Amino acid sequence: KNQVEQSPQSLIILEGKNCTLQCNYTVSPFSNLRWYKQDTGRGPVSLTIMTFSENTKSNGRYTATLDADTKQSSLHITASQLSDSASYICVVSGDAGNNRKLIWGLGTSLAVNP
Amino acid sequence: DAGITQSPRHKVTETGTPVTLRCHQTENHRYMYWYRQDPGHGLRLIHYSYGVKDTDKGEVSDGYSVSRSKTEDFLLTLESATSSQTSVYFCAISESGWQGRVTDTQYFGPGTRLTVL
Repeated sequence: KNQVEQSPQSLIILEGKNCTLQCNYTVSPFSNLRWYKQDTGRGPVSLTIMTFSENTKSNGRYTATLDADTKQSSLHITASQLSDSASYICVVSGDAGNNRKLIWGLGTSLAVNP
Repeated sequence: DAGITQSPRHKVTETGTPVTLRCHQTENHRYMYWYRQDPGHGLRLIHYSYGVKDTDKGEVSDGYSVSRSKTEDFLLTLESATSSQTSVYFCAISESGWQGRVTDTQYFGPGTRLTVL
């Protein structure tokens, strides 16, 4: 069964600190992996998309890594800001020819406190 | 929210009544999607559209129907609302969909919070 599991479920850090969120998946065959940020009461917003051949991708203070061999990804947030408080969702796309599916994780809820 | 609006933003209704949610886009994207988001579940795809009058079912389509008569509008209808359909509904759009670029990005609207009593 295709699954995406994220850890931790929730995280509290102080402003200015770094943190790393984890995503493990069992989706096969694999096409790509995405990280979304969802602010409370808003729709998800794409942060990064990584294909099979990409190991690292950065978007400002966000850096995503992908290990396709171990089927693991991480999202590292550097020098956190209060505006980083949100849910971070890992989404994996399975590649089944013309019927690619998006498998959504449950997200990690991050709270950045002053 | 990438030129996507959803209406209404909040709705409370009673079991058995029909409900229609509207998604409107100004991006002229070909693909439109309806998702629901519930605690303990990742976003789940209800229906999607790959063009005017072209729609298909997602993983949780029972009890829902959709229509797309114009590129910019995608309607989700609950024929007879049930309490299990209490949820937050998100509309999303994308340019090329699953048959296109593997890196095709979905852009989401602000959501509609629906409560069925």
